[in-house]
Amino acid sequence: DTEVTQTPKHLVMGMTNKKSLKCEQHMGHRAMYWYKQKAKKPPELMFVYSYEKLSINESVPSRFSPECPNSSLLNLHLHALQPEDSALYLCASSQGINTGELFFGEGSRLTVL
Amino acid sequence: AQKVTQAQTEISVVEKEDVTLDCVYETRDTTYYLFWYKQPPSGELVFLIRRNSFDEQNEISGRYSWNFQKSTSSFNFTITASQVVDSAVYFCALINNNAGNMLTFGGGTRLMVKP
Repeated sequence: DTEVTQTPKHLVMGMTNKKSLKCEQHMGHRAMYWYKQKAKKPPELMFVYSYEKLSINESVPSRFSPECPNSSLLNLHLHALQPEDSALYLCASSQGINTGELFFGEGSRLTVL
Repeated sequence: AQKVTQAQTEISVVEKEDVTLDCVYETRDTTYYLFWYKQPPSGELVFLIRRNSFDEQNEISGRYSWNFQKSTSSFNFTITASQVVDSAVYFCALINNNAGNMLTFGGGTRLMVKP
Protein backbone atom coordinates (compact mmCIF):
# COMPACT_ATOMS: atom_id res chain seq x y z
CA ASP A 1 0.00 0.00 0.00
CA THR A 2 1.19 3.48 -0.85
CA GLU A 3 1.94 5.85 2.02
CA VAL A 4 0.46 8.76 0.11
CA THR A 5 -3.32 8.64 0.16
CA GLN A 6 -5.44 10.37 -2.43
CA THR A 7 -9.20 10.87 -2.45
CA PRO A 8 -11.38 10.44 -4.33
CA LYS A 9 -10.02 7.69 -6.59
CA HIS A 10 -12.50 8.61 -9.30
CA LEU A 11 -14.33 11.86 -9.93
CA VAL A 12 -16.75 12.86 -12.65
CA MET A 13 -17.69 16.51 -12.87
CA GLY A 14 -19.38 18.94 -15.18
CA MET A 15 -17.70 22.03 -16.49
CA THR A 16 -19.55 24.26 -14.03
CA ASN A 17 -18.87 22.19 -10.92
CA LYS A 18 -16.46 22.94 -8.10
CA LYS A 19 -14.68 19.97 -6.60
CA SER A 20 -11.50 19.21 -4.71
CA LEU A 21 -8.88 16.49 -4.78
CA LYS A 22 -7.21 15.62 -1.51
CA CYS A 23 -3.82 14.16 -0.67
CA GLU A 24 -2.37 13.11 2.67
CA GLN A 25 1.01 11.79 3.78
CA HIS A 26 2.35 11.03 7.25
CA MET A 27 5.99 10.39 6.42
CA GLY A 28 7.11 13.79 7.65
CA HIS A 29 7.97 14.87 4.13
CA ARG A 30 8.28 18.62 3.63
CA ALA A 31 7.78 18.75 -0.13
CA MET A 32 4.52 17.86 -1.85
CA TYR A 33 3.63 17.81 -5.52
CA TRP A 34 0.72 17.68 -7.94
CA TYR A 35 1.24 15.98 -11.29
CA LYS A 36 -1.16 15.56 -14.19
CA GLN A 37 -0.91 12.44 -16.33
CA LYS A 38 -2.73 11.88 -19.61
CA ALA A 39 -3.09 8.39 -21.04
CA LYS A 40 0.15 6.89 -22.37
CA LYS A 41 2.13 9.97 -21.34
CA PRO A 42 4.56 10.67 -18.51
CA PRO A 43 3.45 12.72 -15.52
CA GLU A 44 3.60 16.49 -15.96
CA LEU A 45 4.47 18.64 -12.99
CA MET A 46 1.81 21.16 -11.97
CA PHE A 47 2.70 22.49 -8.52
CA VAL A 48 5.32 22.04 -5.82
CA TYR A 49 4.96 22.98 -2.17
CA SER A 50 7.99 23.19 0.05
CA TYR A 51 7.46 23.68 3.77
CA GLU A 52 3.81 24.45 3.07
CA LYS A 53 4.62 27.28 0.69
CA LEU A 54 4.04 27.19 -3.04
CA SER A 55 7.47 27.11 -4.65
CA ILE A 56 6.69 26.08 -8.22
CA ASN A 57 3.67 26.69 -10.42
CA GLU A 58 4.27 25.30 -13.90
CA SER A 59 2.04 27.88 -15.60
CA VAL A 60 -1.07 25.98 -14.65
CA PRO A 61 -4.43 27.62 -15.54
CA SER A 62 -6.17 29.33 -12.65
CA ARG A 63 -9.06 26.87 -12.80
CA PHE A 64 -6.68 24.66 -10.81
CA SER A 65 -6.01 26.06 -7.35
CA PRO A 66 -3.66 24.26 -4.96
CA GLU A 67 -3.75 24.54 -1.20
CA CYS A 68 -1.48 23.18 1.50
CA PRO A 69 -3.29 23.51 4.85
CA ASN A 70 -0.47 21.82 6.76
CA SER A 71 2.61 19.72 6.19
CA SER A 72 0.60 16.51 5.78
CA LEU A 73 -2.19 17.70 3.52
CA LEU A 74 -2.37 18.94 -0.04
CA ASN A 75 -5.53 19.88 -1.87
CA LEU A 76 -6.27 20.72 -5.47
CA HIS A 77 -9.40 22.79 -5.97
CA LEU A 78 -11.08 22.46 -9.34
CA HIS A 79 -13.46 24.96 -10.90
CA ALA A 80 -14.80 25.49 -14.41
CA LEU A 81 -12.70 22.70 -15.89
CA GLN A 82 -12.64 21.71 -19.52
CA PRO A 83 -13.01 18.21 -20.99
CA GLU A 84 -9.31 18.26 -21.89
CA ASP A 85 -8.52 18.46 -18.18
CA SER A 86 -9.67 14.85 -17.86
CA ALA A 87 -6.62 12.94 -16.63
CA LEU A 88 -5.06 11.08 -13.73
CA TYR A 89 -3.95 13.53 -11.05
CA LEU A 90 -1.09 12.26 -8.97
CA CYS A 91 0.06 13.58 -5.64
CA ALA A 92 3.59 12.94 -4.44
CA SER A 93 5.80 13.81 -1.51
CA SER A 94 9.52 13.80 -0.81
CA GLN A 95 11.87 14.41 2.07
CA GLY A 96 13.23 17.54 0.43
CA ILE A 97 12.64 19.39 -2.77
CA ASN A 98 15.82 18.32 -4.53
CA THR A 99 16.00 14.58 -3.97
CA GLY A 100 14.02 13.32 -6.94
CA GLU A 101 12.96 10.38 -4.81
CA LEU A 102 9.23 10.89 -4.75
CA PHE A 103 6.53 8.84 -3.11
CA PHE A 104 3.37 8.84 -5.17
CA GLY A 105 -0.26 8.21 -4.40
CA GLU A 106 -2.44 6.06 -6.64
CA GLY A 107 -3.98 9.13 -8.16
CA SER A 108 -7.43 10.57 -8.70
CA ARG A 109 -8.89 9.83 -12.10
CA LEU A 110 -10.85 12.87 -13.19
CA THR A 111 -13.40 12.95 -15.98
CA VAL A 112 -14.82 16.30 -17.04
CA LEU A 113 -18.04 16.11 -19.02
CA ALA B 1 17.92 21.73 -21.75
CA GLN B 2 17.59 18.21 -20.49
CA LYS B 3 15.82 15.37 -22.18
CA VAL B 4 15.15 11.70 -21.50
CA THR B 5 14.33 9.30 -24.32
CA GLN B 6 12.85 5.86 -23.98
CA ALA B 7 12.71 4.61 -27.53
CA GLN B 8 10.74 1.46 -26.71
CA THR B 9 7.09 2.39 -26.21
CA GLU B 10 5.90 -1.18 -25.65
CA ILE B 11 7.66 -4.47 -25.02
CA SER B 12 5.99 -7.85 -24.75
CA VAL B 13 7.80 -10.88 -23.34
CA VAL B 14 6.90 -14.30 -22.04
CA GLU B 15 7.39 -15.01 -18.37
CA LYS B 16 10.95 -15.98 -17.38
CA GLU B 17 12.49 -14.13 -20.28
CA ASP B 18 15.06 -11.43 -19.58
CA VAL B 19 14.17 -7.95 -20.80
CA THR B 20 16.13 -4.70 -21.06
CA LEU B 21 14.50 -1.29 -21.05
CA ASP B 22 16.55 1.41 -22.71
CA CYS B 23 17.02 4.98 -21.50
CA VAL B 24 19.10 7.70 -23.13
CA TYR B 25 19.45 11.14 -21.63
CA GLU B 26 20.74 14.58 -22.54
CA THR B 27 22.00 17.19 -20.11
CA ARG B 28 24.67 19.87 -20.01
CA ASP B 29 25.19 19.50 -16.29
CA THR B 30 28.05 17.48 -14.93
CA THR B 31 26.14 16.75 -11.76
CA TYR B 32 22.82 15.02 -12.19
CA TYR B 33 20.79 12.08 -10.95
CA LEU B 34 19.05 9.37 -12.90
CA PHE B 35 16.02 7.42 -11.78
CA TRP B 36 13.74 4.58 -12.72
CA TYR B 37 10.11 4.50 -11.62
CA LYS B 38 7.55 1.73 -12.09
CA GLN B 39 3.86 2.50 -12.64
CA PRO B 40 1.68 -0.60 -12.20
CA PRO B 41 -1.98 -0.59 -13.28
CA SER B 42 -2.96 0.68 -9.82
CA GLY B 43 -1.56 4.07 -10.83
CA GLU B 44 1.07 5.09 -8.34
CA LEU B 45 4.64 5.53 -9.48
CA VAL B 46 7.05 3.47 -7.43
CA PHE B 47 10.64 4.62 -7.01
CA LEU B 48 13.11 1.90 -8.03
CA ILE B 49 16.56 3.47 -8.10
CA ARG B 50 18.53 6.72 -8.03
CA ARG B 51 22.03 6.96 -9.47
CA ASN B 52 24.27 10.02 -9.39
CA SER B 53 26.39 11.06 -12.33
CA PHE B 54 29.66 10.30 -10.56
CA ASP B 55 28.83 6.70 -9.81
CA GLU B 56 29.01 4.50 -12.89
CA GLN B 57 28.96 1.24 -11.01
CA ASN B 58 26.26 -1.10 -12.16
CA GLU B 59 23.72 -2.05 -9.54
CA ILE B 60 21.82 -5.24 -8.93
CA SER B 61 18.79 -5.63 -6.71
CA GLY B 62 17.28 -9.09 -6.90
CA ARG B 63 16.05 -9.63 -10.44
CA TYR B 64 16.63 -5.97 -11.33
CA SER B 65 19.90 -4.55 -12.61
CA TRP B 66 20.93 -1.20 -13.98
CA ASN B 67 23.71 -0.35 -16.41
CA PHE B 68 24.85 3.29 -16.32
CA GLN B 69 27.24 4.37 -19.10
CA LYS B 70 28.16 8.04 -19.26
CA SER B 71 30.03 7.53 -22.53
CA THR B 72 26.75 6.73 -24.27
CA SER B 73 24.49 8.75 -21.94
CA SER B 74 22.49 5.65 -21.18
CA PHE B 75 20.96 4.18 -18.07
CA ASN B 76 19.42 0.86 -19.04
CA PHE B 77 17.31 -1.37 -16.84
CA THR B 78 17.26 -5.15 -17.07
CA ILE B 79 14.73 -7.48 -15.50
CA THR B 80 15.97 -11.04 -15.26
CA ALA B 81 13.50 -13.93 -15.34
CA SER B 82 10.53 -11.63 -15.80
CA GLN B 83 7.27 -12.29 -13.99
CA VAL B 84 3.68 -11.30 -14.72
CA VAL B 85 3.83 -8.90 -11.77
CA ASP B 86 6.53 -6.95 -13.61
CA SER B 87 3.89 -5.81 -16.11
CA ALA B 88 3.79 -2.05 -15.78
CA VAL B 89 4.90 1.19 -17.38
CA TYR B 90 8.49 2.04 -16.53
CA PHE B 91 9.75 5.61 -16.57
CA CYS B 92 13.33 6.75 -16.68
CA ALA B 93 13.90 10.24 -15.26
CA LEU B 94 16.61 12.84 -14.78
CA ILE B 95 17.12 15.63 -12.28
CA ASN B 96 19.71 18.40 -12.47
CA ASN B 97 20.23 21.95 -11.31
CA ASN B 98 19.23 23.52 -14.60
CA ALA B 99 15.74 22.10 -14.27
CA GLY B 100 15.30 23.62 -10.83
CA ASN B 101 15.91 20.15 -9.49
CA MET B 102 12.62 18.92 -10.88
CA LEU B 103 12.30 15.52 -12.51
CA THR B 104 12.33 15.23 -16.29
CA PHE B 105 10.59 12.01 -17.30
CA GLY B 106 11.06 9.94 -20.40
CA GLY B 107 8.01 8.89 -22.34
CA GLY B 108 7.79 5.54 -20.60
CA THR B 109 7.98 1.92 -21.73
CA ARG B 110 4.99 -0.34 -21.28
CA LEU B 111 6.15 -3.84 -20.39
CA MET B 112 3.74 -6.71 -20.78
CA VAL B 113 4.81 -10.04 -19.36
CA LYS B 114 2.65 -12.91 -20.54
CA PRO B 115 2.31 -16.16 -18.63
